[in-house]
Amino acid sequence: GIQVEQSPPDLILQEGANSTLRCNFSDSVNNLQWFHQNPWGQLINLFYIPSGTKQNGRLSATTVATERYSLLYISSSQTTDSGVYFCAVGDHGSSNTGKLIFGQGTTLQVKP
Amino acid sequence: DSGVTQTPKHLITATGQRVTLRCSPRSGDLSVYWYQQSLDQGLQFLIQYYNGEERAKGNILERFSAQQFPDLHSELNLSSLELGDSALYFCASSARTGTGDEKLFFGSGTQLSVL
Repeated sequence: GIQVEQSPPDLILQEGANSTLRCNFSDSVNNLQWFHQNPWGQLINLFYIPSGTKQNGRLSATTVATERYSLLYISSSQTTDSGVYFCAVGDHGSSNTGKLIFGQGTTLQVKP
Repeated sequence: DSGVTQTPKHLITATGQRVTLRCSPRSGDLSVYWYQQSLDQGLQFLIQYYNGEERAKGNILERFSAQQFPDLHSELNLSSLELGDSALYFCASSARTGTGDEKLFFGSGTQLSVL
């Protein structure tokens, strides 16, 4: 099956700094989503981005499907951005939008 | 608030017991997905139901089963529980949003502790 690798595994930032999180996947996909798991365990969907670029406030994401990677950018980080960021992909041959393979996540800590 | 409702939030039980986790998808969503999050395995897809029918299966143990009822709520049944079944169990539903995205929305999870 598809392998999903995220880097870095851990990241510590000072409030106000910018960061880039990377997600590499081993095969072509038709579904890629980014999630944030906050310190209370809630999983929040940030982006559905199988290709191209999207922006939502201080967050943006870019997926280069032909090169099998996606990037999540966090600008002007805040302490509320702390948590774990997951990249998840769906098999290219599957039209099932909710059956996703998750990476191991990047744990982000933003210090005040 | 994702609109996906899960109960209970916490469950503590003993080995060998059976428990039932409950989930209601977002209004209008026909699909329900169950995921397990554990320290060693990470987030793993277990099973999907669509409008009452099983649609896809993942790494779900034979001791686990699920069903979706006519009102679209779903239950995940875990039996003969082992210590290793301790995990956070999520339910999710998906639908195409107004912008055309097909996003997965998760409930707040049920933390299962098997003692």
